[in-house]
Amino acid sequence: QQPVQSPQAVILREGEDAVINCSSSKALYSVHWYRQKHGEAPVFLMILLKGGEQKGHEKISASFNEKKQQSSLYLTASQLSYSGTYFCGTGPINNAGNMLTFGGGTRLMVKP
Amino acid sequence: DVKVTQSSRYLVKRTGEKVFLECVQDMDHENMFWYRQDPGLGLRLIYFSYDVKMKEKGDIPEGYSVSREKKERFSLILESASTNQTSMYLCASSTTGYEQYFGPGTRLTVT
Repeated sequence: QQPVQSPQAVILREGEDAVINCSSSKALYSVHWYRQKHGEAPVFLMILLKGGEQKGHEKISASFNEKKQQSSLYLTASQLSYSGTYFCGTGPINNAGNMLTFGGGTRLMVKP
Repeated sequence: DVKVTQSSRYLVKRTGEKVFLECVQDMDHENMFWYRQDPGLGLRLIYFSYDVKMKEKGDIPEGYSVSREKKERFSLILESASTNQTSMYLCASSTTGYEQYFGPGTRLTVT
């Protein structure tokens, strides 16, 4: 079952903050975040692992609540370049080889 | 830079045709993936391969098969294309424990 992302869409002005949530019905080992701009391939933002380890870009922050099986991506002081669709991908406890289940995506538009 | 390439950006096929989508990666990744992307449904995993000749079904394997004869190449096969397989197809590769790198996608239209 796909993780549920919320909100489905959000519009911001430059400089505003946003939070994108990802919620799973399964116990998780890892959460990946990707951004896809229109007409382009998804691009990696961050990996969060059970136990607190994070790998990713310094300017992006995220949290991973293992007990609630949820992750949140924090976008602060948004820029026009943040526009795109954000996807979370979840990896279960018994994950083998990086298999992920992606959510339906959150469309983010940043306006001047 | 990691590069994942897909054989076509756009493809138009007729119902019933056999369709081959090819993906090549140049970073010696052991894992390769085929996804289908439809509006509102995100990325859905069709098949996954963790080694040459090794594969596992994803969430929506029906109507598809895959082939991985060489480590760098992963092919998706539609045995008999149908209109409900019209979609964007994305290939990705990774090393276990690290991020997935995606190709540019193939937009397939089945008429």
